[in-house]
Amino acid sequence: SQTIHQWPATLVQPVGSPLSLECTVEGTSNPNLYWYRQAAGRGLQLLFYSVGIGQISSEVPQNLSASRPQDRQFILSSKKLLLSDSGFYLCAWVSSGGRRTEAFFGQGTRLTVV
Amino acid sequence: GENVEQHPSTLSVQEGDSAVIKCTYSDSASNYFPWYKQELGKRPQLIIDIRSNVGEKKDQRIAVTLNKTAKHFSLHITETQPEDSAVYFCAAPYKYIFGTGTRLKVLA
Repeated sequence: SQTIHQWPATLVQPVGSPLSLECTVEGTSNPNLYWYRQAAGRGLQLLFYSVGIGQISSEVPQNLSASRPQDRQFILSSKKLLLSDSGFYLCAWVSSGGRRTEAFFGQGTRLTVV
Repeated sequence: GENVEQHPSTLSVQEGDSAVIKCTYSDSASNYFPWYKQELGKRPQLIIDIRSNVGEKKDQRIAVTLNKTAKHFSLHITETQPEDSAVYFCAAPYKYIFGTGTRLKVLA
């Protein structure tokens, strides 16, 4: 069966420091991968999605970037964090084909920028 | 691109009452409409979905209805219980964009 791993679970970083969040998927090939951010009490904001290695689509201009160096690996990065980057970051794999198009989420990373 | 609007943003109901959450989408080509539930501090999980070839789908106390002409679909929860308290999201399958979420509180 397919599983999605995301780490770390929590992170406290100072303003101006770099960021790297990693997401990996097991049990499937060529997955559609997504990064979302959820501010406290708010909705799921789509940040990036990728349909294949090296293919990244950005939905919101900001100081974050994403990369997909391997088929089942999706990385969210920042060179210099801002206070406004605090939030709950979720990686998701979306299954396609068949009757259901379901998003499976990682456990999430709660990022606090101080 | 696809745009999804969700209402209301918060909803409080008495235990045992019904709750209805509505989403409106813009892409008339959309043919799949899921609903997700996110409990506090946890990841969202799919609870029910519907394809465009049917108008309603039920699973115990939850149901989803679809009006393709008006481009909206709704989540219905009957006989609400405290464990239904959570944030609910609809989604559009194109780019998997989520609605803004509805925080449901079921009051005991």
